[in-house]
Amino acid sequence: EAQVTQNPRYLITVTGKKLTVTCSQNMNHEYMSWYRQDPGLGLRQIYYSMNVEVTDKGDVPEGYKVSRKEKRNFPLILESPSPNQTSLYFCASSSGDQPQHFGDGTRLSIL
Amino acid sequence: TQLLEQSPQFLSIQEGENLTVYCNSSSVFSSLQWYRQEPGEGPVLLVTVVTGGEVKKLKRLTFQFGDARKDSSLHITAAQPGDTGLYLCAGDWTGTYKYIFGTGTRLKVLA
Repeated sequence: EAQVTQNPRYLITVTGKKLTVTCSQNMNHEYMSWYRQDPGLGLRQIYYSMNVEVTDKGDVPEGYKVSRKEKRNFPLILESPSPNQTSLYFCASSSGDQPQHFGDGTRLSIL
Repeated sequence: TQLLEQSPQFLSIQEGENLTVYCNSSSVFSSLQWYRQEPGEGPVLLVTVVTGGEVKKLKRLTFQFGDARKDSSLHITAAQPGDTGLYLCAGDWTGTYKYIFGTGTRLKVLA
């Protein structure tokens, strides 16, 4: 089954404790992206990657890092999480002019 | 940052009524997508419109792209409780891999 898998689905942590949210897709897609979703703001793009070793900033990259060492994986790293990064995060992938496939989301709470 | 504004933000209607959701921007997009999102899941693509003035139908849903490719509308005829969800529009620009999402319209259809 074609899917985008995010882990963990839920995480409660504390300010400053480094965390990584993993994203994996099994569709051999070149393009992957991370979004955060906040009430009243819709989805905002954090980072995206057009292929292995190629990443670029979206609209809200501050406080986040990404890497794309393999085609199927695109982890989102919060080196020093802060409460304003409490949000619902989505990973998505696509290829060519195909629509984006989204994961089921990761809800992060940073205390 | 480009902005896509959706209206209304919230809509509660009775089963059988018609409704229209609007998505407006000052930017010209290469294409515009409409998604529906259920609680606990990622957005799922409903349609992509590419040509100015284009109209697409998906059963009881009619999507239109503005002539200038700056705005779009989603019209639902005879709404059903199964149409309940968060509707999101998103615009992109060919070759940039950057996506801008609207703020969302939360629709509730009462039986």
